[in-house]
Amino acid sequence: EVVLTQSPGTLSLSPGERATLSCRASQNVGSNYLAWYQQKPGQAPRLLIFGTSSRATGISDRFSGSGSGTDFTLTISRLEPEDCAVYYCQQLDRSPITFGQGTRLEIK
Amino acid sequence: QVHLVESGGGVVQPGRSLRLSCAASSFTFNSYSMHWVRQAPGRGLEWVAVISHDGTMEYYADSVKGRFTISRDNSMNTLYLQMNSLRAEDTAVYYCARDDAENLGLDYWGQGTLVTVSS
Repeated sequence: EVVLTQSPGTLSLSPGERATLSCRASQNVGSNYLAWYQQKPGQAPRLLIFGTSSRATGISDRFSGSGSGTDFTLTISRLEPEDCAVYYCQQLDRSPITFGQGTRLEIK
Repeated sequence: QVHLVESGGGVVQPGRSLRLSCAASSFTFNSYSMHWVRQAPGRGLEWVAVISHDGTMEYYADSVKGRFTISRDNSMNTLYLQMNSLRAEDTAVYYCARDDAENLGLDYWGQGTLVTVSS
């Protein structure tokens, strides 16, 4: 199975700063099949990015994705308090589908 | 507006069975693959299973293979998860989610139903 390792585990930044979240795969993942989700406490996850870099419907352009092969990145620019959440990457390239363990983003 | 509502969760003893349902509305249910994803208390997301739009293909996480069965009734716009031989480690919130039709992401999620396996 493809193991996704996210780093850092926790990120603490101030409003207006830029957040860079990493997702490293144990095997190559096709760029079409890497997605990112945001989950706030008590809520279901929400799709942010699919196909490595395409924003889902209604997602702010402050969110952007990049990467290829085994290294993928989610960047959140101009942080806002509402961005406080846990972020997960997911690969849908190979069965079983897998998620990373998540990065918790705290806004100071 | 796409709507997914899970039901069927509750407290169940180890070794027993439970069936979850996910009622879908406001989209053409029989055109989309559907997934179950779970989240143990205080933990991350774990993908459980997926079923194709027409129900002909199913895939499972190793942790549930042979114990859980995903199915769907397209005439009722409903997704199911039959869970047998439940274990304490199956305790989690179970979400149903819609595949985006191109297997690129899960674009709509229900609010989840809690399953607690405890004696």
